[in-house]
Amino acid sequence: GAVVSQHPSRVICKSGTSVKIECRSLDFQATTMFWYRQFPKQSLMLMATSNEGSKATYEQGVEKDKFLINHASLTLSTLTVTSAHPEDSSFYICSARASMSYTFGSGTRLTVV
Amino acid sequence: GENVEQHPSTLSVQEGDSAVIKCTYSDSASNYFPWYKQELGKRPQLIIDIRSNVGEKKDQRIAVTLNKTAKHFSLHITETQPEDSAVYFCAASKRNQAGTALIFGKGTTLSVSS
Repeated sequence: GAVVSQHPSRVICKSGTSVKIECRSLDFQATTMFWYRQFPKQSLMLMATSNEGSKATYEQGVEKDKFLINHASLTLSTLTVTSAHPEDSSFYICSARASMSYTFGSGTRLTVV
Repeated sequence: GENVEQHPSTLSVQEGDSAVIKCTYSDSASNYFPWYKQELGKRPQLIIDIRSNVGEKKDQRIAVTLNKTAKHFSLHITETQPEDSAVYFCAASKRNQAGTALIFGKGTTLSVSS
């Protein structure tokens, strides 16, 4: 089946630094990638939708200058958390539509200290 | 935009009992309704889904029903087992200018005691 590989699985960074998260579709072309954030014991909240070769569409309340999304190819999308702060600590997970269903990456646990 | 409400937030049942989780959605254009099981720190796992042209779908102990008129859908798990304990999320599709994303409910923590 369709597989999305997400890296890193865990990252700890200092406040003020930037962190890049990568999602790769391994056996299919992900024209569209969705990025979610999940705080502990909460739901997955859609952050943005990215299409290959174009600017991402951000959900209301998500700062596009803070969460930079790049979707330069049909198999790679990246999310960069810029100038990270402790309140950005969360579980970030990507999802791509493959055929008639959605495939999720394994998630990235970001801790900002 | 799409809003998905999910109830209950927690559900405790005895092994062998049935469990029902209900969701409502607001966007009548939504046409895809998956259910996911998520274990702590892991990715959501699709357990069953239903499309708007179908009213009910069953897969062994799991079934989903959809009422398009009322905009609600439900997950039914029969003969629950301890390994069914997890957080379950419903979702509904939402089309925007960039694509069709999934909007999730707040989740139900199911606990099955033996």
